[in-house]
Amino acid sequence: DSGVTQTPKHLITATGQRVTLRCSPRSGDLSVYWYQQSLDQGLQFLIQYYNGEERAKGNILERFSAQQFPDLHSELNLSSLELGDSALYFCASSVRLAAYNEQFFGPGTRLTVL
Amino acid sequence: GENVEQHPSTLSVQEGDSAVIKCTYSDSASNYFPWYKQELGKRPQLIIDIRSNVGEKKDQRIAVTLNKTAKHFSLHITETQPEDSAVYFCAASSGGGADGLTFGKGTHLIIQP
Repeated sequence: DSGVTQTPKHLITATGQRVTLRCSPRSGDLSVYWYQQSLDQGLQFLIQYYNGEERAKGNILERFSAQQFPDLHSELNLSSLELGDSALYFCASSVRLAAYNEQFFGPGTRLTVL
Repeated sequence: GENVEQHPSTLSVQEGDSAVIKCTYSDSASNYFPWYKQELGKRPQLIIDIRSNVGEKKDQRIAVTLNKTAKHFSLHITETQPEDSAVYFCAASSGGGADGLTFGKGTHLIIQP
């Protein structure tokens, strides 16, 4: 157990819908990262938040957005869902913006878009 | 942006033999190179990492080497065991891991009994 929690574990929805994935980082970790894992694209970095502020963006679609709240938990919002958005979404956390940080991954949320 | 290539995509070795997985990266600013192991249906877990100011690092049966000039790094697993069977991912970061990681496509390591 990495100490990073994600809910829900599984999510099944239809095309065009909107979903919210939730992540709670390890106690004391200020940085949260979101990754998408699919068979064709592999593990891709989406976005990072540090202490409530957006810090870096990766291959995140405009239909996706995220935020980090004052209690440091984060939510990833996916809207106008398409079949291709079906994937495993991981959240990771690390302690701070210092040199050489290990990122601890949560168990993931499996999203299926029908 | 950074691009990480990983080879091979599948590697089958006999139990007790060694396994080597190789990665190349494109961004010379990358300074942190972690390796993650992912078992089926589970989260990626860090097994070893190396920083750009180090050429080699060992942890029991696992070692990683880095060649900054050639922009490649490798994972070496010796005396492989059945529990080593998993997908292994290399990654690179220019922010020491404090920014998003760029991952390779993964290597499915199969340990044959």
